[in-house]
Amino acid sequence: DVKVTQSSRYLVKRTGEKVFLECVQDMDHENMFWYRQDPGLGLRLIYFSYDVKMKEKGDIPEGYSVSREKKERFSLILESASTNQTSMYLCASKTEDGLYGYTFGSGTRLTVV
Amino acid sequence: DQQVKQNSPSLSVQEGRISILNCDYTNSMFDYFLWYKKYPAEGPTFLISISSIKDKNEDGRFTVFLNKSAKHLSLHIVPSQPGDSAVYFCAANRATWEGAQKLVFGQGTRLTINP
Repeated sequence: DVKVTQSSRYLVKRTGEKVFLECVQDMDHENMFWYRQDPGLGLRLIYFSYDVKMKEKGDIPEGYSVSREKKERFSLILESASTNQTSMYLCASKTEDGLYGYTFGSGTRLTVV
Repeated sequence: DQQVKQNSPSLSVQEGRISILNCDYTNSMFDYFLWYKKYPAEGPTFLISISSIKDKNEDGRFTVFLNKSAKHLSLHIVPSQPGDSAVYFCAANRATWEGAQKLVFGQGTRLTINP
């Protein structure tokens, strides 16, 4: 089974800090995604990457950036954390031709104070 | 704009009865629809999917129905079990101009199965 690992389950950061959320998958998947989950809003796509060093904005990229230097690792960066970025962050991966069915990590609950 | 909508935030069903979760979408370019199940403190897990060219897909206790003319899909769980208590997300697949595939999720419905 594909495993998607997010490095932290819980994080508390201060407003204005630069925050790194790490995601690693172990099945050589081409595509990786970062979503945030908020009550009443579901999962919203922040950024995705379909290859190393390739990235595309999702629906809510403002305040975020990403890095994909290696195929297995996709990092989400909050340049200057703000309280409205308090959320559950979920990383996912899938194969290029696996059109359907993402594999998600367990999530990182980020609180910005 | 919310392209995929789940209008019921919560649903409570008696154990053994049928659970029906609903989902509406607005984009006719979606080509595939999926349901995910999420327990607290875990990531969503894939449950069942349906292609836009089909109107029904069944997998054990789970059946998904698609009504393209109404842009509506539903998930039926029969019989409902306590372990089915979770948040269910409807998702729709769309292709981007770069050729990648992206999922658009609904808001989720919290299903509670009462013993």
